[in-house]
Amino acid sequence: EVQMLESGGDLVQPGGSLRLSCAASGFTFDNHAMSWVRQAPGKGLEWVSSVSYSGSNTYYRDSVKGRFSISRDNSKNTLYLQMNSLRAEDTAVYYCAKSPGGGPYSPEYFQDWGRGTLVTVSS
Amino acid sequence: EIVLTQSPATLSLSPGERATLSCRASQRVSSYLAWYQHKPGQAPRLLIYDASIRATGIPVRFSGSGSGTDFTLTISSLEPEDFAVYYCQQRSNWPPTFGQGTRLAIK
Repeated sequence: EVQMLESGGDLVQPGGSLRLSCAASGFTFDNHAMSWVRQAPGKGLEWVSSVSYSGSNTYYRDSVKGRFSISRDNSKNTLYLQMNSLRAEDTAVYYCAKSPGGGPYSPEYFQDWGRGTLVTVSS
Repeated sequence: EIVLTQSPATLSLSPGERATLSCRASQRVSSYLAWYQHKPGQAPRLLIYDASIRATGIPVRFSGSGSGTDFTLTISSLEPEDFAVYYCQQRSNWPPTFGQGTRLAIK
């Protein structure tokens, strides 16, 4: 059974940093591109970032470029999102999502998802 | 960025009725469109990809159609567990984008 468990969400002050993790199991992790998708309170789903199967190719939405960094450790079956210079508008539930393919050049669908971890940016 | 506009925002129906949800893209996305179901506190679930292909384990009452800019998700006969929020998503161009969602509510 495919499982993804996000962790690391917390309350953080504006300008602060946080690192999210997503522990994956039940599939061959290094065959698949992985992504982070978020949902702000009362809003819809919003893609944040993706990384190819090898970690060599990364993609970001414009509003997080230069502040967020996606990475993966295929030896640990774990996906990460380092978030710096956090803003109130980054407040959201962050979901880890697995793509059907490995990337790296085209956007993909999100085949399986975790249940999310809540990030709150507030003073 | 490709904007996806879903309609209606809310659809109120009874179990057993047919639901028709729409998604319109601001530019052509070929058939690179997916539909997801999302319930509060749960992981979103992929229902349909490439406009009309059901994902693994999705019941046959869910079907998708369309290409280019206009797409439809149809639920042929609503079950109680189908009441949720539904999102469309395109993967034709970076960045991948979602529609704003259609809330399917019990009438």
